[in-house]
Amino acid sequence: EAGVAQSPRYKIIEKRQSVAFWCNPISGHATLYWYQQILGQGPKLLIQFQNNGVVDDSQLPKDRFSAERLKGVDSTLKIQPAKLEDSAVYLCASSLTSGDNEQFFGPGTRLTVL
Amino acid sequence: AQSVTQLDSQVPVFEEAPVELRCNYSSSVSVYLFWYVQYPNQGLQLLLKYLSGSTLVKGINGFEAEFNKSQTSFHLRKPSVHISDTAEYFCAVRAASGGSYIPTFGRGTSLIVHP
Repeated sequence: EAGVAQSPRYKIIEKRQSVAFWCNPISGHATLYWYQQILGQGPKLLIQFQNNGVVDDSQLPKDRFSAERLKGVDSTLKIQPAKLEDSAVYLCASSLTSGDNEQFFGPGTRLTVL
Repeated sequence: AQSVTQLDSQVPVFEEAPVELRCNYSSSVSVYLFWYVQYPNQGLQLLLKYLSGSTLVKGINGFEAEFNKSQTSFHLRKPSVHISDTAEYFCAVRAASGGSYIPTFGRGTSLIVHP
């Protein structure tokens, strides 16, 4: 069974530039999550999708971050414009349902903002 | 809301020695508890979870954890570590009911196994 795929694995940009990350969850998983993991901290949820609808985006900085999952499968997370403090690893995870107790994580995208 | 405290940011240990990684939580509702491992440049992998039943939970790679409700703890243990156990370990908590199903993660403990 293929795992959660993310690309790119690494990205370096300058502040005020835009960047987008892509995630393909495990086939059949209805729920998709984007987490931000700042160095030295645990992952923090940014947004949760159930199929193509948003369940929770309360911690997403909506002035600069956006995410979509148009067909209920893969998803993109965008930052526009990026700030220095956005440097982090962005993790995508998926689970069968929103109440499922196990989330499967992708390898992450490491973003460096200079 | 729930919160998680991992008391040690780094735990150095020699190969084949036992190890305990500490985790304490706070919550106003009943909770589920998890331990994840993160190897360098990889995503998180579930080690074990406590949902209900026996308070001693066994996971993958020889790890186990004990849920202690009175002390609000969920410490992770392994009787004999290997070099390959070197990684970052995260404790997480989520509401079992009546609250957010989103897990809250601790800051992580870096386990460093020396030969």
